Amino acid sequence: GQGVEQPDNLMSVEGTFARVNCTYSTSGFNGLSWYQQREGHAPVFLSYVVLDGLKDSGHFSTFLSRSNGYSYLLLTELQIKDSASYLCAVDSNYQLIWGSGTKLIIKP
Amino acid sequence: EAAVTQSPRNKVAVTGGKVTLSCNQTNNHNNMYWYRQDTGHGLRLIHYSYGAGSTEKGDIPDGYKASRPSQENFSLILELATPSQTSVYFCASGGLGAQDTQYFGPGTRLLVL
Repeated sequence: GQGVEQPDNLMSVEGTFARVNCTYSTSGFNGLSWYQQREGHAPVFLSYVVLDGLKDSGHFSTFLSRSNGYSYLLLTELQIKDSASYLCAVDSNYQLIWGSGTKLIIKP
Repeated sequence: EAAVTQSPRNKVAVTGGKVTLSCNQTNNHNNMYWYRQDTGHGLRLIHYSYGAGSTEKGDIPDGYKASRPSQENFSLILELATPSQTSVYFCASGGLGAQDTQYFGPGTRLLVL
């Protein structure tokens, strides 16, 4: 069956970086999106990728390897306010399949 | 500013009761979605709509109905609520695929006793 997998939790330190992983197995692929969801709030769109490689968008960067069914979201110069869940969503034939999200905890 | 609003924000219902969750969007998007979110699960699609008068089944439609009377409004109806439907429900509007951003409402917390 189709699936999108993300680790449940990730911990990092303020001022450093964090890499949030997403692996997927889907029947089709039209791109992948990343959303940020703060506790008690709605998901908010961060980034969309469809081509292999690293897409540098400053504080948030995304990497995609379609042949490996793998993406990551890289957050640099972490701030406490980056503490949130990060959701990966894969577009398989124009249906979004969502991962369960990774909760990023940032320590001072 | 374009927005998606939901009402109520919190709801307590009894088993067997009828619950209606409402969603309004000012984005002028054709597509609207209802999701539920539970711990350990990703967002799961219940129903969606391509426009006024259209409703389509998502991945987990059993026990739910939807209604799209206008471009702006999309409702989710639980005719006979059950405790397993206790969840957080999100409405969204926006694109069909990943390249088009989905804009989410603030969510409705539903507790079915």
